Amino acid sequence: NAGVTQTPKFRVLKTGQSMTLLCAQDMNHEYMYWYRQDPGMGLRLIHYSVGEGTTAKGEVPDGYNVSRLKKQNFLLGLESAAPSQTSVYFCASSYPRGGLDNEQFFGPGTRLTVL
Amino acid sequence: DAKTTQPPSMDCAEGRAANLPCNHSTISGNEYVYWYRQIHSQGPQYIIHGLKNNETNEMASLIITEDRKSSTLILPHATLRDTAVYYCIVRVQGGGNSGGSNYKLTFGKGTLLTVNP
Repeated sequence: NAGVTQTPKFRVLKTGQSMTLLCAQDMNHEYMYWYRQDPGMGLRLIHYSVGEGTTAKGEVPDGYNVSRLKKQNFLLGLESAAPSQTSVYFCASSYPRGGLDNEQFFGPGTRLTVL
Repeated sequence: DAKTTQPPSMDCAEGRAANLPCNHSTISGNEYVYWYRQIHSQGPQYIIHGLKNNETNEMASLIITEDRKSSTLILPHATLRDTAVYYCIVRVQGGGNSGGSNYKLTFGKGTLLTVNP
């Protein structure tokens, strides 16, 4: 299994440009998440999904949109990138046992710089 | 989620046990203690979690005090590859009807463990 993969690994954008980050998992996990990590700070949840076709806001959702059209993929979109969105983005997935989430499996991250 | 307090850094000699402490004095009865680690530039990695009993897996042991106000993660034979930031996280077990806020992992600043040769 490849686990959780993220595309691209690095990206530089100009202010106002748009892009989509792709997260894919091959573990048949129900839950998927997008986090961002800024220097000196812990991870913060952007959006998450508890199943195909459903998404929900995390603690820092502004400026981002997501879609979960297929169970194995979770897309994070930036419609108009801003310098404040310069960060490392991590995707994660997990599977529920008895309907409850346990450990989350993380991808390698995408380093995004917005100039 | 209850807050956690960890030392900012610790050193350990290779081959020795690494004991990483965590204080979580405001933990609620339904909150679990999770440990993750993040090796430089990589995504976080789950290590172990527990509610009130001590837990052990192939990576580590988790010792939770009887009053649940603190815990210790033990790496029995630390190697150079165990050098990482270790995060102690307290949260309810997410999912089900527990609501959206329970899905997130709230990472603090963690403990930078440096394993020395």
